[in-house]
Amino acid sequence: AQSVTQPDIHITVSEGASLELRCNYSYGATPYLFWYVQSPGQGLQLLLKYFSGDTLVQGIKGFEAEFKRSQSSFNLRKPSVHWSDAAEYFCAVGGGRGGSYIPTFGRGTSLIVHP
Amino acid sequence: DAGITQSPRHKVTETGTPVTLRCHQTENHRYMYWYRQDPGHGLRLIHYSYGVKDTDKGEVSDGYSVSRSKTEDFLLTLESATSSQTSVYFCATRREGADTQYFGPGTRLTVL
Repeated sequence: AQSVTQPDIHITVSEGASLELRCNYSYGATPYLFWYVQSPGQGLQLLLKYFSGDTLVQGIKGFEAEFKRSQSSFNLRKPSVHWSDAAEYFCAVGGGRGGSYIPTFGRGTSLIVHP
Repeated sequence: DAGITQSPRHKVTETGTPVTLRCHQTENHRYMYWYRQDPGHGLRLIHYSYGVKDTDKGEVSDGYSVSRSKTEDFLLTLESATSSQTSVYFCATRREGADTQYFGPGTRLTVL
């Protein structure tokens, strides 16, 4: 069965500091991996995704993530955090584009940004 | 965005009453999903649909039913609401052949 672990429930950083949010997954084949962001009171917005090719993927809002198969990880990074990045971040793993595709979401990491 | 709307956006109801939440999409996506979001649990799948009149259960389907009579609408019904169903409910859609889900704005449901 597929699963996702986001070890950090909360992360606090200062504005301008770098950020890394951790995501570990369990999946039996090559995974489709996603990072979503949820601003307060909003739905989820896709930041980036990976399923093949270059293991370093670029997303919107200056985010990137690196797929490491040996570590079963897909960590999200940003070199300099802005106050507007304060939000909930979800990692998800899924099986692809077929009809049976059902992604599994992690429990989320809440990012707090101090001025 | 997939032009997804959810209604109502907020609802307060009493234990034992029936509740129906509506998800409407304008993009003709084949797949639709209902999730609930609770602190410490992330998003958990309640039910999903892979076409008109074709639905299946997710991991937390007990106490919920769904219907999809048109491509654009996916209804989630709580037949007899309980306090444990207090949550934020999200609808999502996915185009056939694609790997990305698009999410609606959510419905905050409080069961007293």
